[in-house]
Amino acid sequence: KAGVTQTPRYLIKTRGQQVTLSCSPISGHRSVSWYQQTPGQGLQFLFEYFSETQRNKGNFPGRFSGRQFSNSRSEMNVSTLELGDSALYLCASSPLEANNEQFFGPGTRLTVL
Amino acid sequence: KQEVTQIPAALSVPEGENLVLNCSFTDSAIYNLQWFRQDPGKGLTSLLLIQSSQREQTSGRLNASLDKSSGRSTLYIAASQPGDSATYLCALVDYKLSFGAGTTVTVRA
Repeated sequence: KAGVTQTPRYLIKTRGQQVTLSCSPISGHRSVSWYQQTPGQGLQFLFEYFSETQRNKGNFPGRFSGRQFSNSRSEMNVSTLELGDSALYLCASSPLEANNEQFFGPGTRLTVL
Repeated sequence: KQEVTQIPAALSVPEGENLVLNCSFTDSAIYNLQWFRQDPGKGLTSLLLIQSSQREQTSGRLNASLDKSSGRSTLYIAASQPGDSATYLCALVDYKLSFGAGTTVTVRA
């Protein structure tokens, strides 16, 4: 079974631009969560989607948004990029509920210049 | 807010030594606890998930225990190898994962 995939793996953007990251969960998994990892803040929860609905959201500004499609693939979007948005963005999928075992993708490394 | 602490932040051991990694948390009303491994610049690899009703879980050289009353989980790695060098993270599992800062392990050949 293929694991969680994320595209692109690396991105370089400039301040003020917007970016869209994509995540394909493990086949059959319906819950997709997004996390931001930085050296200073560690791993922080962004949001979780289940059956195309955002069920939970972390403490991030409205510039961070996401969605999930009927095939469970998910995208997250960051608008008006700031230097502090430079991070590793990780996607995790889970079979049913979010409190099941989580499986992570390789991440997207975003650098904002 | 759930607080998850991992001490020490870094650990260096000679090959063959058993590793003991600690994870403590403030909220005993947890659901499950999951241990991960992260190699530099990579994603997280799930090692073990301990259900809240379990006291331990084993997979190969790995054994994880969970004591909700004391707010502790311990990951044991037997007979460490250089390939075990990585950062190990524990996370409380409910609607989201609440992570500790991790313990970076170096196994010296």
